[in-house]
Amino acid sequence: KAGVTQTPRYLIKTRGQQVTLSCSPISGHRSVSWYQQTPGQGLQFLFEYFSETQRNKGNFPGRFSGRQFSNSRSEMNVSTLELGDSALYLCASDPGARTEAFFGQGTRLTVV
Amino acid sequence: AQTVTQSQPEMSVQEAETVTLSCTYDTSESDYYLFWYKQPPSRQMILVIRQEAYKQQNATENRFSVNFQKAAKSFSLKISDSQLGDAAMYFCAYRSPGNSGAGSYQLTFGKGTKLSVIP
Repeated sequence: KAGVTQTPRYLIKTRGQQVTLSCSPISGHRSVSWYQQTPGQGLQFLFEYFSETQRNKGNFPGRFSGRQFSNSRSEMNVSTLELGDSALYLCASDPGARTEAFFGQGTRLTVV
Repeated sequence: AQTVTQSQPEMSVQEAETVTLSCTYDTSESDYYLFWYKQPPSRQMILVIRQEAYKQQNATENRFSVNFQKAAKSFSLKISDSQLGDAAMYFCAYRSPGNSGAGSYQLTFGKGTKLSVIP
């Protein structure tokens, strides 16, 4: 069974640009969550999508957005990039209640 | 809101020895899940062990076991017979149970403990 796939693995962007990250969950998993990991703030929840609907959102500005497609693949978008957006972005795929989340290898975003 | 605290930013252990990583959490819920995830330098978050709050028995997975104290809201991870491959960041995480189609599977993480294994 294929794991959670995140693309791209590495990304370098300039301040003010926008970026789109992609996550393909494990087949059959309907929930996809996104987390931002930085040395200072640790792992912070961005948002969760379930069956194409956002059902929970973390405390991030509106520049961070996401969506989920009918095949459960998810994208997150960050507009007007700031230096502080440099981080590892992790996607987690979840098969349902009373189970654990499975993580992708992350996308390392560097904003210069 | 739930919070998770890992009070040991770094720890080290001799190969083949035992080490215990601490985690405390705060919640008003009675039903929840607790996890320990391992993140090696490859950055892949790997589940080490999980514990359901309604189960009194402590979870065990090979060399990994937990000491779950629900009243004290404590969830420590014990690694026995430490191996070089155990060196990684370890994160304690909390999750409400959620229900399929409702609720949320959001994880709340601690800041992590960096474990070094000394040969």
